[in-house]
Amino acid sequence: AQTVTQSQPEMSVQEAETVTLSCTYDTSENNYYLFWYKQPPSRQMILVIRQEAYKQQNATENRFSVNFQKAAKSFSLKISDSQLGDTAMYFCAFMTANYGQNFVFGPGTRLSVLP
Amino acid sequence: NAGVMQNPRHLVRRRGQEARLRCSPMKGHSHVYWYRQLPEEGLKFMVYLQKENIIDESGMPKERFSAEFPKEGPSILRIQQVVRGDSAAYFCASSPPVAEYYGYTFGSGTRLTVV
Repeated sequence: AQTVTQSQPEMSVQEAETVTLSCTYDTSENNYYLFWYKQPPSRQMILVIRQEAYKQQNATENRFSVNFQKAAKSFSLKISDSQLGDTAMYFCAFMTANYGQNFVFGPGTRLSVLP
Repeated sequence: NAGVMQNPRHLVRRRGQEARLRCSPMKGHSHVYWYRQLPEEGLKFMVYLQKENIIDESGMPKERFSAEFPKEGPSILRIQQVVRGDSAAYFCASSPPVAEYYGYTFGSGTRLTVV
């Protein structure tokens, strides 16, 4: 069974600074996908970024980028130029590449961006 | 495209009552997934359905919980004889017939409170 661990329950960062959220996972699969989801107080689950395990290049989406270390099973999220609107819970998630897959989520990191 | 619609947004039930949560997938999506989020935790997979079929219910509690996705109408998650421990946010996600990861969309969730 796959597991996802986020070792930082809470983090804070000053506006305009950079912050990195950690995520590790455990799997015996070789082909899979990794995700970061953001959940603001509205409760909506918003996809931030995704990474295919077969791709060595780290994914980037504007101010968001990941550091994917497949051998170490690590998938951290870096948020540059933090904005107040980035305040939210952030969940790391894993999905196998098999048909009919479902997400395995980590416990989340609560990020507060301070003015 | 209205996205994944869940209703009600909030539901309060007394212990012993039944709770019915509805999910209308995105247009063109025929796969529905239900997840439960306990307070301060990540989402946990419950059940995966296609039209008129339960594909994977490995995350569903064995008693009191059931789900359906009829040929017509929304998917329904039904909780009979609710208890305080059922209080949680319940999220639905949908995906197109080919279950590629990029096709997943989450609804805004139903927060169930059992009093």
